[in-house]
Amino acid sequence: GAVVSQHPSRVICKSGTSVKIECRSLDFQATTMFWYRQFPKQSLMLMATSNEGSKATYEQGVEKDKFLINHASLTLSTLTVTSAHPEDSSFYICSASLGRGYEQFFGPGTRLTVL
Amino acid sequence: GENVEQHPSTLSVQEGDSAVIKCTYSDSASNYFPWYKQELGKRPQLIIDIRSNVGEKKDQRIAVTLNKTAKHFSLHITETQPEDSAVYFCAASIRGSSGGGADGLTFGKGTHLIIQP
Repeated sequence: GAVVSQHPSRVICKSGTSVKIECRSLDFQATTMFWYRQFPKQSLMLMATSNEGSKATYEQGVEKDKFLINHASLTLSTLTVTSAHPEDSSFYICSASLGRGYEQFFGPGTRLTVL
Repeated sequence: GENVEQHPSTLSVQEGDSAVIKCTYSDSASNYFPWYKQELGKRPQLIIDIRSNVGEKKDQRIAVTLNKTAKHFSLHITETQPEDSAVYFCAASIRGSSGGGADGLTFGKGTHLIIQP
């Protein structure tokens, strides 16, 4: 299967700071990437759909000004958690897809801890 | 939007027995139904998927069935082994508001499968 990487794998930051997470598709061009959040022992929740060259589409209840998404190329999408607070602590996972109805390949996830 | 319900939340079976996990979805426009296996702290791994034009798909010990009329789909694992122990998630694709590109997934809440030796 296709390979998707995420960086960093773990990050600990102070409340009020911003954190950037990178998601890369290593061996294919992904027109669309997705960002999910997963709290401990819970399911994955779709946060936003990231389309290369256009604005991200956010799910209901997800603040676009807090979770900034940039998809500058077909292989890179970034999620920036601005002014992070302890309640933002979570496992953030990206995925990339070849297109509608095709398999989504997940990154390894980023564990964010906000103190 | 799409809503996916998954049952049971925990399933314990004896090694060698079969395990069945069931999901229902609400959006009749959904047309792609993958199943993922996730081990603690790791990324979800696709184990099998099915599209709405197919009623059943099998891959060795794993099978998935889809009933479009009833909007439910199930995962069947036969001859379970200890390494099958993990959390399993069903999902359904939802239509993107842009009308193009790929669709995000709505996940069920997960089933913790425990294989008893």
